[in-house]
Amino acid sequence: DAKTTQPTSMDCAEGRAANLPCNHSTISGNEYVYWYRQIHSQGPQYIIHGLKNNETNEMASLIITEDRKSSTLILPHATLRDTAVYYCIVRVAGTDSWGKLQFGAGTQVVVTP
Amino acid sequence: DGGITQSPKYLFRKEGQNVTLSCEQNLNHDAMYWYRQDPGQGLRLIYYSQIVNDFQKGDIAEGYSVSREKKESFPLTVTSAQKNPTAFYLCASSDSGAPRIFGPGTRLTVL
Repeated sequence: DAKTTQPTSMDCAEGRAANLPCNHSTISGNEYVYWYRQIHSQGPQYIIHGLKNNETNEMASLIITEDRKSSTLILPHATLRDTAVYYCIVRVAGTDSWGKLQFGAGTQVVVTP
Repeated sequence: DGGITQSPKYLFRKEGQNVTLSCEQNLNHDAMYWYRQDPGQGLRLIYYSQIVNDFQKGDIAEGYSVSREKKESFPLTVTSAQKNPTAFYLCASSDSGAPRIFGPGTRLTVL
């Protein structure tokens, strides 16, 4: 399984875009990039995922480099409610592949007024 | 509204006692998962189930047991064999592939 590397923490000003990087240099061709976040003391929340094309939904945008060795999650207009730990995970599709998945430590994002 | 219910939210247990954590989903999802989270750490998989009457161990299954008798229910029992059970326990479900919906969690404390 491809390993991911994320910064431990980052700050972002409210109203600005938050760009969260993730390195996954050993990613395989059939592995997707998934992003989740976890607000303190709550269950995680799925945000977005992609294979190689950029993706956008109501929460965020996912930009994957052409070589797929890194990606960036973009929160277009950060709010205080976006303060959370953000997890970047690389995985093949299919339920069985998630059986051995571990979520790493993620990036602690703090949005400040 | 569809979602996952975990109960109780807080649970206290004496050493040597077994305790069962409830997880119910009304999303009609086939797959369900149990994770453990320790303070300041990521999630670690305990057990997962892809279909009724079938489940597989995750990396930290020792001291835990599960059952999947109904599609909507995936209870987790923390047995006395689990040496350090104090943690935040999270249940999740998905229709296929990645866990999509997580429950609010149960915080277990061993006294």
